[in-house]
Amino acid sequence: AQTVTQSQPEMSVQEAETVTLSCTYDTSESNYYLFWYKQPPSRQMILVIRQEAYKQQNATENRFSVNFQKAAKSFSLKISDSQLGDTAMYFCAFMNHLLGQGAQKLVFGQGTRLTINP
Amino acid sequence: EADIYQTPRYLVIGTGKKITLECSQTMGHDKMYWYQQDPGMELHLIHYSYGVNSTEKGDLSSESTVSRIRTEHFPLTLESARPSHTSQYLCASSELGSGGAKETQYFGPGTRLLVL
Repeated sequence: AQTVTQSQPEMSVQEAETVTLSCTYDTSESNYYLFWYKQPPSRQMILVIRQEAYKQQNATENRFSVNFQKAAKSFSLKISDSQLGDTAMYFCAFMNHLLGQGAQKLVFGQGTRLTINP
Repeated sequence: EADIYQTPRYLVIGTGKKITLECSQTMGHDKMYWYQQDPGMELHLIHYSYGVNSTEKGDLSSESTVSRIRTEHFPLTLESARPSHTSQYLCASSELGSGGAKETQYFGPGTRLLVL
């Protein structure tokens, strides 16, 4: 079974700083997807960024980028120029690639509570 | 606007009551999911559905049941609520088919359930 580990339960940085959240996963599969989701306090879970394992290029979305190291099974999230609105729980998640119409199940890490201080 | 909705957002109820948590999406997604999340903890899949009349149990055992009579609607029912059911329940949906962006699951706002 796949597992996802986020080793940083909490992090805190000053506004405008860069912060990196770590995530490691365990799988024997070669084709899969990795996600970072953000869950602000009492608000909806939203997708931050997605990475396909077969793509060597690291995904980027504006201030958010990942460092995907497939051999090391590592998938860290970097937030540049952090903003107060980035304060949230961040979850790393893994999904196997299934051929056909299988229901793709997400396996989540324990989450990292990120606080951006003014 | 295409979205995923959950009602109620908050529910406080007594032990032994029957409850139904509603989830609807307007994105035309075939796949839908229910996750359970304790405060500050990771999400665990409890039910999922490939499409109408398809339901499967997830990785975390749950006493709840689900139904999928319409594509857009995936309600979760607890026949007899207990304090151990106190948690947050998140509904999600994704497109049918494999590959790329179709793997992304979109989440509803969640229902916070407190059973006294």
